Amino acid sequence: GAGVSQSPSNKVTEKGKDVELRCDPISGHTALYWYRQSLGQGLEFLIYFQGNSAPDKSGLPSDRFSAERTGGSVSTLTIQRTQQEDSAVYLCASSQARGPSEEQYFGPGTRLTVT
Amino acid sequence: AQSVAQPEDQVNVAEGNPLTVKCTYSVSGNPYLFWYVQYPNRGLQFLLKYITGDNLVKGSYGFEAEFNKSQTSFHLKKPSALVSDSALYFCAVRRMDTGRRALTFGSGTRLQVQP
Repeated sequence: GAGVSQSPSNKVTEKGKDVELRCDPISGHTALYWYRQSLGQGLEFLIYFQGNSAPDKSGLPSDRFSAERTGGSVSTLTIQRTQQEDSAVYLCASSQARGPSEEQYFGPGTRLTVT
Repeated sequence: AQSVAQPEDQVNVAEGNPLTVKCTYSVSGNPYLFWYVQYPNRGLQFLLKYITGDNLVKGSYGFEAEFNKSQTSFHLKKPSALVSDSALYFCAVRRMDTGRRALTFGSGTRLQVQP
């Protein structure tokens, strides 16, 4: 089946605008993760959804960042009042959530540039 | 807290030679360890993981990794490098006994294989 898909692939926005990034996980995967990859940095965890449980938001860098997952499938990451330091590649991953040893499957990412 | 260190920003190797990409980790308790590869403009692809048992783990594309508990290392290796192996490699860790499913990634190592 299809892998994890993300849209848009690229987004250029002006400082202060809001942006929405979309993730479509692999069908049947109940766990969904958002990570951020900044230039020269590793991946930084942002938020994790698992089924109907309360999301783990411990990685969100500020209250300008939020995410939701509707119907246990598609997720949207929203960044309000974007800042230049928000420029990064935002990666989404999903997994079947069978246990902590399982690997995650990543989408191609959305490259966000804040001008 | 858990962390991963990839001490080399870049590794250069000639095609046909063995390659090693280094990774050390810090975690309380027993770890699950992962290697991912990222090709240009692509998401991360899973290569291999250590769960338990044999310290030498074999993965995709001829890669293997050796878990060394005393040295807290999980170096990625391949006996004979290919030009097509040139990519960005990430090591990641997760504690076995935690409900937190997010991975902690290293900063990545760029592998350059010269023909």
